[in-house]
This record gives sequence, C-alpha cells and structure tokens, in this order.
Amino acid sequence: AQKITQTQPGMFVQEKEAVTLDCTYDTSDQSYGLFWYKQPSSGEMIFLIYQGSYDEQNATEGRYSLNFQKARKSANLVISASQLGDSAMYFCAMRGSPLGSGGSNYKLTFGKGTLLTVNP
Amino acid sequence: NAGVMQNPRHLVRRRGQEARLRCSPVKGHSHVYWYRQLPEEGLKFMVYLQKENIIDESGMPKERFSAEFPKEGPSILRIQQVVRGDSAAYFCASFETGLKTQYFGPGTRLLVL
Repeated sequence: AQKITQTQPGMFVQEKEAVTLDCTYDTSDQSYGLFWYKQPSSGEMIFLIYQGSYDEQNATEGRYSLNFQKARKSANLVISASQLGDSAMYFCAMRGSPLGSGGSNYKLTFGKGTLLTVNP
Repeated sequence: NAGVMQNPRHLVRRRGQEARLRCSPVKGHSHVYWYRQLPEEGLKFMVYLQKENIIDESGMPKERFSAEFPKEGPSILRIQQVVRGDSAAYFCASFETGLKTQYFGPGTRLLVL
C-alpha cells in the first residue's frame, strides 16, 4: 500500500519569497512516480511537476522544483518567487509504476493537501 | 485541463435518487480514472477503466456505485440511491500509455439534499 503524508495543513508566504511544501511518502514499490498538483479555489486539478524514483536529478518546471530525497522518502515542492496567483491547495501524489517500468495501473494516491496563502 | 470534459459540473440530487456523472477523455486516450474528493480531503481513487473493461475497482464502494467506459461515448459513473455522504467532488482523469501524467477534468460537484 502507498501512503502520502502532508503535515502542513496551511502555509503563509510573502509575495516574491520562496516557500517549501512538505511531502513524505511510504511505499514498498521499487519503482514509483511522484507528483504535485495545484487546486485553486475554482476546483480544477492542475499538474505542476513529476519526479520518477530513478531520476537522478531533481525535477524543475519554471518556478517549481521538487526536492527529492529518496532515502528520507520525501518529495518537497519548492515554489520560488511566490505570486498572488499561487494561493491554492497543493496536493502531493504518487503512483506505483513510473513511466517505462512496464506497469499498467497508474492510479494515484494523494495526500490531504496544504493550503498555501500568498500575502501581498 | 487538456481537453477532459465532465458534465454536469454541478449536480443536485435528493436522497434516494440516481446520479449519473459523465467523463469524456482527451481524444485518443483509452484509460480513464475516477476519483472522489470529500470536503477538506485529498482525492481518493475509485475505479480505473479501459475501453469496455473495468481494470481496477478496488476504491469503489461495492453497493450503489458502478462505472463503465463503452467503446463509443463517455465514461459514466453511476450512483444509485444517493445518500448525503455521497456529496463530494468527482473527478475523472484521462491517460494514455507513455504520458507523464493523467489529465484531470474540471470535476462534478454532487450535492445530496
């Protein structure tokens, strides 16, 4: 079974500053993938960033980077230069079989989320 | 949301009625996942379907819930005899082998009165 833990129910950050959202995971799978999604107040789920368990480098996508520490089973999201539009719920998620592993069921397990508020 | 369509966006039902939620995946995608999001919670997996087949329904309640993804047409999540505890947002996600991520639809917000 897979489990995602997000220990920060809410976070506050000043505009233009960086913020780290924590995510730890537990799995017995050797291969897995980790994701972050953003859910603004409008409710849709927006994909931000992906990290495969065998990727040697931390993933980056624009202002988003994933601080992947495999031994500690953590996959923290770092948002640099926060903007007011970054205010939203952020969910960490994982699946058991990353791209290319041959697995076929890519169902996602989600954490409970962190509500990020960016202050002007 | 990469072209995944869900309808209706909002659905109100009285206890005991049926709810039918539709999901049209991205054109060419043959995998559909359904998730449920209760208030103040993350999304929870319900069912995974490929065209005409249910692959994994381990997250779906055994009674009152059913899902299908026919050869032609949208995927349907059907909830019979709804109860207040079914009130939630229901998301479908579209996927195809080789892609990095699933693409989520905008969700259907179900309210049971």
